[in-house]
Amino acid sequence: AQTVTQSQPEMSVQEAETVTLSCTYDTSESDYYLFWYKQPPSRQMILVIRQEAYKQQNATENRFSVNFQKAAKSFSLKISDSQLGDAAMYFCAYRRVDFNKFYFGSGTKLNVKP
Amino acid sequence: DTEVTQTPKHLVMGMTNKKSLKCEQHMGHRAMYWYKQKAKKPPELMFVYSYEKLSINESVPSRFSPECPNSSLLNLHLHALQPEDSALYLCASSQALGQLNTEAFFGQGTRLTVV
Repeated sequence: AQTVTQSQPEMSVQEAETVTLSCTYDTSESDYYLFWYKQPPSRQMILVIRQEAYKQQNATENRFSVNFQKAAKSFSLKISDSQLGDAAMYFCAYRRVDFNKFYFGSGTKLNVKP
Repeated sequence: DTEVTQTPKHLVMGMTNKKSLKCEQHMGHRAMYWYKQKAKKPPELMFVYSYEKLSINESVPSRFSPECPNSSLLNLHLHALQPEDSALYLCASSQALGQLNTEAFFGQGTRLTVV
């Protein structure tokens, strides 16, 4: 069974600093997708970044980047130059290539201090 | 258009009421989802429709009844709910299997309160 684990229920970062959110997952599949979603108080889940497991290169999107370690089944999110608007719940998610089901971690609440 | 639109945004209903949640997308996605989310918890999958056919039902009680009338619309019919069903209900859509851009796009959710 696929499981996604986020071991940090809550984290804080100073504005303009860098923070890393952790995620590990369990799967027997060799090809799959990994995602980080952000959910601010406005409730809508917003995709932050996506990684295809067959790609060795880590995905980046502006201030957001991932450290994808396939052998270790680890998928951490680095946020550089943190901004107040980054404050939200962050969910790590996994999806098999051949199955329309997303598995979510328990989430990490990120606080950004001015 | 990269939006998933859900209506209503808020809903209060009694335990004997019948109501429906609606979801619409115009991205040509052929997979649509209903999730239930309790406060400070991750979304829990309820149903998945693929090409307008129900493909996954996560053992959801029959008081929740999904419907996919066409490729753009997804409904969730509610009847005889319990107070513990109060939650945020999220709709999402994604490309069909085998397509690129495999992420799910989410709506803003319906905040449901059962009294």
